[in-house]
Amino acid sequence: DAGVIQSPRHEVTEMGQEVTLRCKPISGHNSLFWYRQTMMRGLELLIYFNNNVPIDDSGMPEDRFSAKMPNASFSTLKIQPSEPRDSAVYFCASMGGGSYNSPLHFGNGTRLTVT
Amino acid sequence: DAKTTQPTSMDCAEGRAANLPCNHSTISGNEYVYWYRQIHSQGPQYIIHGLKNNETNEMASLIITEDRKSSTLILPHATLRDTAVYYCIVRDGSPSGTYKYIFGTGTRLKVLA
Repeated sequence: DAGVIQSPRHEVTEMGQEVTLRCKPISGHNSLFWYRQTMMRGLELLIYFNNNVPIDDSGMPEDRFSAKMPNASFSTLKIQPSEPRDSAVYFCASMGGGSYNSPLHFGNGTRLTVT
Repeated sequence: DAKTTQPTSMDCAEGRAANLPCNHSTISGNEYVYWYRQIHSQGPQYIIHGLKNNETNEMASLIITEDRKSSTLILPHATLRDTAVYYCIVRDGSPSGTYKYIFGTGTRLKVLA
């Protein structure tokens, strides 16, 4: 089991640029979550998908943020245009469909720095 | 809003048991208690979860009070590598429940040599 795989591990970009974060969930998991972590706000849930369908995006901060899950093995989180306040660690997590009380499994995150 | 209350920080001597408390006085019947930990710069790591019975796995034990309003995570023999932030989360694990895991601020555990 390779776990949840996120890329890139680090991203440094300039304000105004588009940023795309990528996630490959654990094979067989049918729910996928995007979180953001900052010192000030802790771990915040941005959006989650179930069977590739976005279920709750109420945590997405602004229209600059968008997420897609074109298939069961891949998801992206895009920020366009990026701003310095978007600097954070972004985590992807997945959950198996075998049981409704299954735990989340997290990737190691993408550290985004917007200058 | 997080539905749990945890102490901000705790210290534990290496080799001793670490007992991390969590208050979840408003827990409902379908809500499970989950514990995660986060070691600096890594993704949160799942530890254990339970509904009402005590649970044990290779990492830890989870003790849930009979009224389910609080629980304790026990690391039986803490090591320096257990130094981390520990999160207690409640979530409705029934088929009609939300899939949302809401993280609070957690307990920062420091294991001392």
